[in-house]
Amino acid sequence: AQRVTQPEKLLSVFKGAPVELKCNYSYSGSPELFWYVQYSRQRLQLLLRHISRESIKGFTADLNKGETSFHLKKPFAQEEDSAMYYCALQNNAGNMLTFGGGTRLMVKP
Amino acid sequence: NAGVTQTPKFQVLKTGQSMTLQCAQDMNHEYMSWYRQDPGMGLRLIHYSVGAGITDQGEVPNGYNVSRSTTEDFPLRLLSAAPSQTSVYFCASNTRKSANTEAFFGQGTRLTVV
Repeated sequence: AQRVTQPEKLLSVFKGAPVELKCNYSYSGSPELFWYVQYSRQRLQLLLRHISRESIKGFTADLNKGETSFHLKKPFAQEEDSAMYYCALQNNAGNMLTFGGGTRLMVKP
Repeated sequence: NAGVTQTPKFQVLKTGQSMTLQCAQDMNHEYMSWYRQDPGMGLRLIHYSVGAGITDQGEVPNGYNVSRSTTEDFPLRLLSAAPSQTSVYFCASNTRKSANTEAFFGQGTRLTVV
């Protein structure tokens, strides 16, 4: 069985402060991990995926297999980063995504 | 390119009524899924399909039926609505042509059962 845990339901920071959204997973196979974001009144969309090792909108996420974590980080938060963030694990067949409970990020001016 | 289109956007049902949530995608994706989104619980998989004529149950399938007669369409049927089915429903699609493929989501259907 695959499982994703996001321990924080709400994270509130001031503009310019660093941000770290935590994600832990359990999966017996080789994990394929994603971060999805949902801005207010918009549909859920992909932010980044671990295999790409990319930085999107200043966000990065590193897969740590030893700690089974995939935390999302940004050094300086912006107000437009305020949104709901979901960590997701895709099974190796590619036909099933398991989501964490989500973390609402609020960036205050 | 419309992507994933869901209808309706909002719906209010009385307990015991049935209805179908529509989902269509125009990206020729093999995989389609239905999720429900509840506060604090993230998105939970209801049913999914890996191709036309093939469907399977996800984490929370009870009270829902699906069918996949074409690649484009994946309707979700509520057989006898219950207040516990009040939620926001999302349809998603992705391709199997490579690993780590991005899932594309519809705009969601907000359903209230009274």
